[in-house]
Amino acid sequence: AQKVTQAQTEISVVEKEDVTLDCVYETRDTTYYLFWYKQPPSGELVFLIRRNSFDEQNEISGRYSWNFQKSTSSFNFTITASQVVDSAVYFCALRRSGGSNYKLTFGKGTLLTVNP
Amino acid sequence: GAGVSQSPRYKVAKRGQDVALRCDPISGHVSLFWYQQALGQGPEFLTYFQNEAQLDKSGLPSDRFFAERPEGSVSTLKIQRTQQEDSAVYLCASSTHQGPSYEQYFGPGTRLTVT
Repeated sequence: AQKVTQAQTEISVVEKEDVTLDCVYETRDTTYYLFWYKQPPSGELVFLIRRNSFDEQNEISGRYSWNFQKSTSSFNFTITASQVVDSAVYFCALRRSGGSNYKLTFGKGTLLTVNP
Repeated sequence: GAGVSQSPRYKVAKRGQDVALRCDPISGHVSLFWYQQALGQGPEFLTYFQNEAQLDKSGLPSDRFFAERPEGSVSTLKIQRTQQEDSAVYLCASSTHQGPSYEQYFGPGTRLTVT
């Protein structure tokens, strides 16, 4: 069975602070994909990043960075110099790379509030 | 271009009523998924289509839930004899290919409230 745990239910920071959102996953698969999605108040899930389990190289995109550590089954997400527009619920998700069903298994999400 | 659209955006149903939720995927997208998102929770998988074939319906919570995609484009999720526990946001997602490396694009969801 696959499982994604986001232990932080809510985080509140002041603008310009750095913030890290934690994600721990469980899977018996040797190959898989990990994702982060953002859900602003409008409700639509916005894709942020996809990571293949073969590739443990960390990735940076502007103010966003991701730290994938297979040894600890973690895929953490850091926002540098947070902005009010970053306020949203962030979901980590897992998907198998084999088989015929590519459904996503989501964590419960972390509500990030960035205060001015 | 146009993204995934869903209608209605909001639906209020009395317990026992039947409802139909529509999803218009991105044109040409082969794969289509339905997810259910309860308040304060992450989305949970309901069912998956590849073109018109429903390949997995293991997430449908009961036989009151039914989904179809007869022509491989628009999909409808139907819930019969709605119950209060059906209250949730129903999200539709589509993907350009059937492989696992292609991200799913989500619609805005339909918020169903059963009174």
